Amino acid sequence: DSGVTQTPKHLITATGQRVTLRCSPRSGDLSVYWYQQSLDQGLQFLIQYYNGEERAKGNILERFSAQQFPDLHSELNLSSLELGDSALYFCASSVGAEETQYFGPGTRLLVL
Amino acid sequence: GENVEQHPSTLSVQEGDSAVIKCTYSDSASNYFPWYKQELGKRPQLIIDIRSNVGEKKDQRIAVTLNKTAKHFSLHITETQPEDSAVYFCAAINTGTASKLTFGTGTRLQVTL
Repeated sequence: DSGVTQTPKHLITATGQRVTLRCSPRSGDLSVYWYQQSLDQGLQFLIQYYNGEERAKGNILERFSAQQFPDLHSELNLSSLELGDSALYFCASSVGAEETQYFGPGTRLLVL
Repeated sequence: GENVEQHPSTLSVQEGDSAVIKCTYSDSASNYFPWYKQELGKRPQLIIDIRSNVGEKKDQRIAVTLNKTAKHFSLHITETQPEDSAVYFCAAINTGTASKLTFGTGTRLQVTL
């Protein structure tokens, strides 16, 4: 157990819908990262937050947005969902902005 | 930005043999190189990491070597066991900047009996 928690574990929804994925970092970690992993694919970096501020952006679609709250938990919002958004979404956290990242168990999203 | 290439994409070894996975990086300023193991449907887990001030690090059956001149680093697993079967990802980052951790494309290791 890495200490990073993610909810929900599984999510099934329909095209066009909107969902919110939640992540709680390890105690003391200020940085949160979001990754997307499609079937048999690598880890695609989406976005990073450090102490509430956006720090780095990767290949995140405009339909996706994220934020980190004062208690340091983070939410990833996915809207106007498409079939291709079906994937595992991982959250990771680290102490600082460039330290070792520890991954949560992931949220498996299925868009039908 | 940083680019990390990882080879091979798949690797099959017999139990007890050694496995080697290689990665190259493009940014000579990168100074931290973690390796993650991901079992099917599970989270990536950090198994070993190395910083640029050392050339080799070992942890039981796992070792990582770093060649800064050639900009490549490798994961070595000795006496492989079936539970080593997983996808392994290398990554690189320059911790002195606001850059992001860049992952390789992964190596699927299969340890056969």
